Amino acid sequence: NFMLTQPHSVSESPGKTVTISCTGSSGSIASNYVQWYQQRPGSAPITVIYQDNQRPSGVPDRFSGSINSSSNSASLSISGLKTEDEADYYCQSYDTNTRGVFGGGTKLTVL
Amino acid sequence: QVQLVESGGGVVQPGRSLRLSCVASGFSFSSYGMHWVRQAPGKGLEWVALISYDEIDKYYAASVKGRFTISRDNSKNTLYLQMNSLRLEDTAVYYCGDLGGYYGAWGRGARVTVSS
Repeated sequence: NFMLTQPHSVSESPGKTVTISCTGSSGSIASNYVQWYQQRPGSAPITVIYQDNQRPSGVPDRFSGSINSSSNSASLSISGLKTEDEADYYCQSYDTNTRGVFGGGTKLTVL
Repeated sequence: QVQLVESGGGVVQPGRSLRLSCVASGFSFSSYGMHWVRQAPGKGLEWVALISYDEIDKYYAASVKGRFTISRDNSKNTLYLQMNSLRLEDTAVYYCGDLGGYYGAWGRGARVTVSS
């Protein structure tokens, strides 16, 4: 079964840049689009990146997404970190049978 | 503005059924595939089901296949999830969403508790 693996947690200081990875277990991660979602405690998720590197309207350009085929991974980078960026982040894509797959989530601490 | 509003959640006994609804507004609902995603208490997000914009193609997670049915009524801008033979492990907040689409919209969720 296709899986996406994320680090459990990352931390960084305000103003810095953090990168969260999402590694595919098999096949090519570039075969299907990758999305990234932010979820603050007690709230519904919101989309911060769709189709690998596109930002929905209203998401600041501090958020960016990329794909690295050589490492079969996707990455979410957040620059100019703010305390409000502290949240759980999930990557999402699809398996070869068009079933959705989520990564386990990464808790971002801004300290 | 783009909005998704779920309803139909509640407390139900194991083995019983429940139907969730998700009403969309602010975008061309009939042009987008739509998803259901759930989150058990204290856990991560779990993908549940996907339906194509024209209702022709439907896909399910292995954990719900054969018990849950996704459908939509484009004339009512509404997405549904019929949940049968509910189990304790189906307890979660259920979200509808346009995953991977231009709007990337999510609803606020509907809480489903399966308990005897």
